[in-house]
Formats: sequence, C-alpha cells, structure tokens
Amino acid sequence: KAGVTQTPRYLIKTRGQQVTLSCSPISGHRSVSWYQQTPGQGLQFLFEYFSETQRNKGNFPGRFSGRQFSNSRSEMNVSTLELGDSALYLCASSLVSKNTEAFFGQGTRLTVV
Amino acid sequence: AQSVTQPDIHITVSEGASLELRCNYSYGATPYLFWYVQSPGQGLQLLLKYFSGDTLVQGIKGFEAEFKRSQSSFNLRKPSVHWSDAAEYFCAVAELTSGGSYIPTFGRGTSLIVHP
Repeated sequence: KAGVTQTPRYLIKTRGQQVTLSCSPISGHRSVSWYQQTPGQGLQFLFEYFSETQRNKGNFPGRFSGRQFSNSRSEMNVSTLELGDSALYLCASSLVSKNTEAFFGQGTRLTVV
Repeated sequence: AQSVTQPDIHITVSEGASLELRCNYSYGATPYLFWYVQSPGQGLQLLLKYFSGDTLVQGIKGFEAEFKRSQSSFNLRKPSVHWSDAAEYFCAVAELTSGGSYIPTFGRGTSLIVHP
C-alpha cells in the first residue's frame, strides 16, 4: 500500500510569489492534515480536512489556504510568499475519522528567496 | 491550552545502552498522547500512542512509554538502543476539537545521537 505522497519534494520560490503543494493520502484515508516545520517554531498545525470540509484550522494568516478534493487528495496554497515561509511542509492522513493515528508524508521543502 | 515540554534538546547514548526521553504535558482533561520519530529528510512516524487503559504502552521498534498522570509525564524508553535509532523524537498531546478530531500539539523534539 502506498504511503502519503507529497509533491514536489523541493521547491524554491521568490518572495511575493505564490505556491501550491500537493498531498495524496493513503488509499481510503479521508482525513488530511497539514503542518509547517521550522527550526524556530517547530511543528505547527495548519489545517485539517475531512471529506472535503475544513474541520480545524491553526493560527496562520489568511495567506495560507487549503482544500480537499473528492478523492481525498489535498492541496495547500501560500500566497504572497515571505522569507519566513521557508519550511518543511508535512501532510498527514488518517483512516480514523478522529485522526488518532496519522501517517505522515516525507514533506515538501520550500525555500523562499 | 495544551502544551508539551521535552526538556532535553539533545541526548547522546552508546549503542546497546538504555534510553529514556522525557516528555511533560499540560492539559486539563485526559489527553491523547503520542510519540513520533523523524529521521533526517523524512516525515514523522508514529511510535506509539496512549489514551486510556494500561499506562505502559508498547510501540514499534522496541519502544515503550509510561503515562504518569500525577507527574503529567509520558516518557519514552528503550532497553537497548541501536545505531539506527538516531533521529529526532517528538512527543505530542492532543485534545478533541470542536471539529470532532484530535489535533496534536508537538514538543520541540529531542535529538538522539547514538555512539558506536
């Protein structure tokens, strides 16, 4: 069974641009969560989707948005990139609706220059 | 608000030695507790979790953790460390949100270094 797949693995963007990251959950998983990991702030929750609905949202500015499609694949978008958005963005999926056992992808390393 | 403290930023052990990684949490009700491991360039892998029942939880890769409510701790242990255990370890606590799911709050992590 394939794991959580995140694309692309690495990305370099210029300040002010926007970026879209993709996450394909494990087959059958309907819950998808996104996290930002930085050396300064650690792992921080961005948002969680279940059956195409955002169920929970972390404390990030509106520049960060996401969505989930009917096949459970998810995308997150960051507009007007700032240098501080450079981070490892991790996606996790869960079979259990309450998200008590999350499986993480390898992440997308975003560098903003 | 829930929070997690991992007091040790780095821990160095010799291969074959025992290991204990500390985790203290702050949460009002009964928490869902997790330990994850992250190898360089990889995502997080769930080692074990606890919600209720036996306070000693067995996980994958020979790890175990003990929940101590009186100390608000959930320490991770392994009797004999292997070189492949070198990685970053994260403790997390989760509460049930109004959205109906558990969203973990992570500690800052403990980096485990294993000497041959």
